[in-house]
Amino acid sequence: GAGVSQSPRYKVAKRGQDVALRCDPISGHVSLFWYQQALGQGPEFLTYFQNEAQLDKSGLPSDRFFAERPEGSVSTLKIQRTQQEDSAVYLCASSLGQWADTQYFGPGTRLTVL
Amino acid sequence: AQSVAQPEDQVNVAEGNPLTVKCTYSVSGNPYLFWYVQYPNRGLQFLLKYITGDNLVKGSYGFEAEFNKSQTSFHLKKPSALVSDSALYFCAVSRGDSWGKFQFGAGTQVVVTP
Repeated sequence: GAGVSQSPRYKVAKRGQDVALRCDPISGHVSLFWYQQALGQGPEFLTYFQNEAQLDKSGLPSDRFFAERPEGSVSTLKIQRTQQEDSAVYLCASSLGQWADTQYFGPGTRLTVL
Repeated sequence: AQSVAQPEDQVNVAEGNPLTVKCTYSVSGNPYLFWYVQYPNRGLQFLLKYITGDNLVKGSYGFEAEFNKSQTSFHLKKPSALVSDSALYFCAVSRGDSWGKFQFGAGTQVVVTP
């Protein structure tokens, strides 16, 4: 079956531009997570959705970061006025929705801000 | 707060020899522990998890891990390493009251030489 997909796989932005990163979770998965992985680091939690409700956005680094999942399926992570420190791989994961469920990760979007 | 430590940045092992990747954790309450593997330019692939029950957990590709509550450890093991096991390995912990969000370790690079 299809796994988690993300697009684009690579994105280059000039400092100050807005970007939108898309995540298509596994069909039927209730929970959706966004993580940020800096070079040489482990992924860091950004935000969590249960269906269309954003229940935890404690990891978003600034108010330039915004995520949505309006119909409880596809999610978009938007970064406004990108800065060089936003350069990272952005990973999306989905799970069935229970606390101990396995999260299945997409391939990530590598964002480079020049 | 929860945290995960992977004390080794890199582990080198000859093909056919046993492989161990170390992980220790700190979390209040009962931990849910996971191991993932990441190949270059790929997302994280699930290997195994400990939720409850038997302390020895068997997972994909011949990997296993042992949960040790007294030492707060969850080391990943493989009896006989393959060159194809060369990759970046991440340990992650979540707990029941955190929506299932993961705290990842910094990762351990495994290099298996022929």
